[in-house]
Amino acid sequence: EAQVTQNPRYLITVTGKKLTVTCSQNMNHEYMSWYRQDPGLGLRQIYYSMNVEVTDKGDVPEGYKVSRKEKRNFPLILESPSPNQTSLYFCASSLRGPNEKLFFGSGTQLSVL
Amino acid sequence: GQQLNQSPQSMFIQEGEDVSMNCTSSSIFNTWLWYKQDPGEGPVLLIALYKAGELTSNGRLTAQFGITRKDSFLNISASIPSDVGIYFCAGMEYGNKLVFGAGTILRVKS
Repeated sequence: EAQVTQNPRYLITVTGKKLTVTCSQNMNHEYMSWYRQDPGLGLRQIYYSMNVEVTDKGDVPEGYKVSRKEKRNFPLILESPSPNQTSLYFCASSLRGPNEKLFFGSGTQLSVL
Repeated sequence: GQQLNQSPQSMFIQEGEDVSMNCTSSSIFNTWLWYKQDPGEGPVLLIALYKAGELTSNGRLTAQFGITRKDSFLNISASIPSDVGIYFCAGMEYGNKLVFGAGTILRVKS
């Protein structure tokens, strides 16, 4: 089944403890991206990647890192999480770019205490 | 960064009613997309628009790409209970950045 898989689904952590949210897609998509969703603010793009080894900042990249070493994986890294990074996170992918149909993962609800 | 104004913020629907929502931008976009998010899930694409003036339907849903390239509308005809959820517009300028609106929450009138 074609899908975008994010893990974990829920995560509670403490300030400063490094964490990684994994994202994997099995559709051979070139484009992958990360969003955070906060009430009243919609989806805001954190980082995106047009292809392997190519990543760019979105609108809210501060405090996040990404890597794209393989086509299928696009992990989101929080080196030193802070409470203002408490949010619902979505990974998404599409065949070539964001103007095509984005396939979203089921989301990761992160709480930073 | 670029911002989209999506309205209304929320609305209540009664089964059978028609629903309208829209998005406006201060910049010109070359793509408008409409997504729907059900509770506990990621958004799912409803309609994609690529040309100014384009009017596209998907079942009971109809969306239009505004002539000015700065707005888009989504209409839902004869709403049904499963239409509830959050609807997002998204726009893309020339380049690779996609921007989402804040969403319109559709709820059922009780």
